[in-house]
Parts: sequence; C-alpha cells; structure tokens
Amino acid sequence: DQQVKQNSPSLSVQEGRISILNCDYTNSMFDYFLWYKKYPAEGPTFLISISSIKDKNEDGRFTVFLNKSAKHLSLHIVPSQPGDSAVYFCAASVGGGSYIPTFGRGTSLIVHP
Amino acid sequence: NAGVMQNPRHLVRRRGQEARLRCSPMKGHSHVYWYRQLPEEGLKFMVYLQKENIIDESGMPKERFSAEFPKEGPSILRIQQVVRGDSAAYFCASSLNRPGDYYEQYFGPGTRLTVT
Repeated sequence: DQQVKQNSPSLSVQEGRISILNCDYTNSMFDYFLWYKKYPAEGPTFLISISSIKDKNEDGRFTVFLNKSAKHLSLHIVPSQPGDSAVYFCAASVGGGSYIPTFGRGTSLIVHP
Repeated sequence: NAGVMQNPRHLVRRRGQEARLRCSPMKGHSHVYWYRQLPEEGLKFMVYLQKENIIDESGMPKERFSAEFPKEGPSILRIQQVVRGDSAAYFCASSLNRPGDYYEQYFGPGTRLTVT
C-alpha cells in the first residue's frame, strides 16, 4: 500500500518553461513534506520542504504547494533549466518522533534545451 | 565539511556470500538511516540507528539482515547469505536531530550491490 504516490513516472519540459511535479498522499497523519532530487549514480539531495501549517514554501526557482484537504502537493520549477533534469522524489513524514520519511517512486524530469 | 560517505560504491557478491556496506555520517550527525532502492522503485526505509542503539528496524527483513552503529567507526549494514533479490542500491543518510525541530536527511552516494 503506497502512502505517497507520484503517478507520473516521467515529465518532459522545454527549457525556460514551468515544470510541475505532483504528489498525492493517503496518510492524514503526515505533517511534514519534502522533495529530493536525484542524479544517476548519486544519492538523493534535499531540495525543499513544507510543514502542514503552511500551504506554500518558496526557495528561488522552486516552490512547493500543499493542499491538505486534497492530500496533494506539487513542486513548481520556474524557469526550468537543463541541469534540473533528474529524478524527483516526494517524501512525507509524521512529526513527534524520528520523522522517518516515506518516499514516492519518483518522477523523472527531462528539460530540453 | 565532508558529506555522508559510503563504501564500497559497487559490490559484487555470489549467492550465499556475505555483504558488508559501510556508512560514515556527516560530521556532527549521530543519527543514521539505511534505505534500499530496487529498480523502478522509490527508497524503502530499512533501519534507523543512533550510536550503539537501533531505534527503528521496522523496515528490515526479518532474516539475514542486520545493522549496527558502534560508538567508534562507521555504521554497517550486513547481509548474510545474499540472494539475487538483494541486488539493489543501498543508501545511507544521516541527520542532526534537534528536539522539536523538523530536519532533512543528507544522503550518501549509495552502494550498488549485485548478486550473481
């Protein structure tokens, strides 16, 4: 039973356009959400996070939106750059303990020059 | 400040042999996590350790797998009598947990285990 779902295995975007990566979750106890970026043959790198008390968090070209009622979050990258081409993992955790995140299967983003 | 170190990066074992994967956390981090990633899958949590303690091993297979994080030295993930299904990328992460704070985990580059 997947508690964190990334239903699009891949996404292709033109350089300069917006990339939108989506993530759905089923566990209403999740209260902290993270996005990681992973290049081939490397470990995941933390990108951005959001706690459930917010609905938006922005860091440069990256913005994460959280819709708690829909149990949905999205990562917006604008403008997209070829160097953003990677696999993006959505993760969610429950606070109050060790905060071990549950990961989605990832979305492979390809940004074309 | 060195990141999370994992070695070896690639490990080939025959069925029935033992595999030992090592992880050195970031400087100052005392919390270590092990994850496994099968092809086309996300990262699956295996075990969470602090120095000399296993905090959560709910993701560890019941047999053949063990983990430790001794007072001195790296954390070790040990797989005994490997089978082909153990072939995967194993990632280690570390974090600096401050009570009451949310945090992010910092990942190592992974060890790719191939069982022949």
